[in-house]
Amino acid sequence: DAGVTQSPTHLIKTRGQHVTLRCSPISGHKSVSWYQQVLGQGPQFIFQYYEKEERGRGNFPDRFSARQFPNYSSELNVNALLLGDSALYLCASRRLAAQETQYFGPGTRLLVL
Amino acid sequence: AQTVTQSQPEMSVQEAETVTLSCTYDTSESDYYLFWYKQPPSRQMILVIRQEAYKQQNATENRFSVNFQKAAKSFSLKISDSQLGDAAMYFCAYIFGGSQGNLIFGKGTKLSVKP
Repeated sequence: DAGVTQSPTHLIKTRGQHVTLRCSPISGHKSVSWYQQVLGQGPQFIFQYYEKEERGRGNFPDRFSARQFPNYSSELNVNALLLGDSALYLCASRRLAAQETQYFGPGTRLLVL
Repeated sequence: AQTVTQSQPEMSVQEAETVTLSCTYDTSESDYYLFWYKQPPSRQMILVIRQEAYKQQNATENRFSVNFQKAAKSFSLKISDSQLGDAAMYFCAYIFGGSQGNLIFGKGTKLSVKP
C-alpha cells in the first residue's frame, strides 16, 4: 500500500504570498493531521481533520487554515506568509481513534524569502 | 500541560554497540500512548516503536526496545547492535486518548553511528 503522500516537496515563496500544501492519506485512513517542524525542533501540531471537519487546532494564527475532502485528502493553506513560516510541513494520517499510530508523509519544505 | 523532554541533544554510538536515548514526559492523564519516531536526513518521520501506558510489559521491535517507567514518567529507547542506518534524529512523542489527536513531541536527539 502507498504511504502518506505530500506535494509539493519543496516550495519557495516571498513574504505576503499565499501557499497551499496537499496531502493524501494512507488508503483506509480517515483522519489527517498537520504539523509544522522548524529546523532543530520537534513537530508542532497545527490541525486535525476527520470526516471533513476540524477536530483540533494548535496554537497557530488564523492565517493558517485547512480542509479535508470527501476522499480524505487534505489541504493546508497559509496566507500572508512571514519569514517565520519557513519550515517543514508534515502531514500524518491514521485510521480514526486518537490513540492510533499516526503515519507521516515526507513533508513539504517551505522557504519564505 | 503535557510536555515531553529529551535531555540529550546529541548522542554517538559505535557500530554494533548499544545506545540508550532518554525521554521524560509530564501528564496527569492515565490513558496515554508513547512513541519513538526516527527522522533520517530524508525527512520522513518513521515509527520506531509504540507503548501503551496501560501495558506493564515493555515494547520491543527487533533491535529496538523501551524501558517504560510509568511512575517516573520515563520512556527510554534502547538500540542494540547499532547499524549505520540507525543514524538519524529520534523524537519521543506522547498522545492521550481523550485528546484532539495531536502528538506532543520532544526536541529530538541526534544519533550518530561511527563505523
